[in-house]
Amino acid sequence: DAKTTQPTSMDCAEGRAANLPCNHSTISGNEYVYWYRQIHSQGPQYIIHGLKNNETNEMASLIITEDRKSSTLILPHATLRDTAVYYCIVRASTANAGGTSYGKLTFGQGTILTVHP
Amino acid sequence: DTEVTQTPKHLVMGMTNKKSLKCEQHMGHRAMYWYKQKAKKPPELMFVYSYEKLSINESVPSRFSPECPNSSLLNLHLHALQPEDSALYLCASSPSPQGIYYEQYFGPGTRLTVT
Repeated sequence: DAKTTQPTSMDCAEGRAANLPCNHSTISGNEYVYWYRQIHSQGPQYIIHGLKNNETNEMASLIITEDRKSSTLILPHATLRDTAVYYCIVRASTANAGGTSYGKLTFGQGTILTVHP
Repeated sequence: DTEVTQTPKHLVMGMTNKKSLKCEQHMGHRAMYWYKQKAKKPPELMFVYSYEKLSINESVPSRFSPECPNSSLLNLHLHALQPEDSALYLCASSPSPQGIYYEQYFGPGTRLTVT
């Protein structure tokens, strides 16, 4: 899987947009960019994913550069409950010993986002 | 129902004990996963079950034994664990194990302490 690089930590004021960057310069053409977050002591939560087009859902927007070497997750109006570790994951299809493919999720270190009042 | 449930929430066990972790989903997903997360580290994949068959074992020691009795249930049997096995154990499921188009839904985890 392509490696991702994220800042270790970021701060954001409540009500403002949080823009979380991710570099994935070795991404391949068939690899998707996924974002998950993990609030303290909970399981990871899926946020959004994309291939090359920008994506938006009820939680966030994902902006992928034209060369696909980096992306930005945007939380449009951050709240205190958005404080979490945010993981950017480049996901490729991997085959097991029997040749069956599956989509492996390999988590990096992530960005600790702290939203301040 | 879009929930993955895990029991127990917390477990303390001695090194000679045998215990089991349980995971359940009723979303009709055909892939289920076990992850291990040490403190201040990201989750790491342990096992993948595809259509109730073990598909991936990420070189996990045999003291961890997974079991998938049916498409909704996933167990992780623990025996002769070491203190360094203390971690948060996360279960996840996805509609299909194949392809990279499906998100995985995670449970809240079981916090395991081995004494």
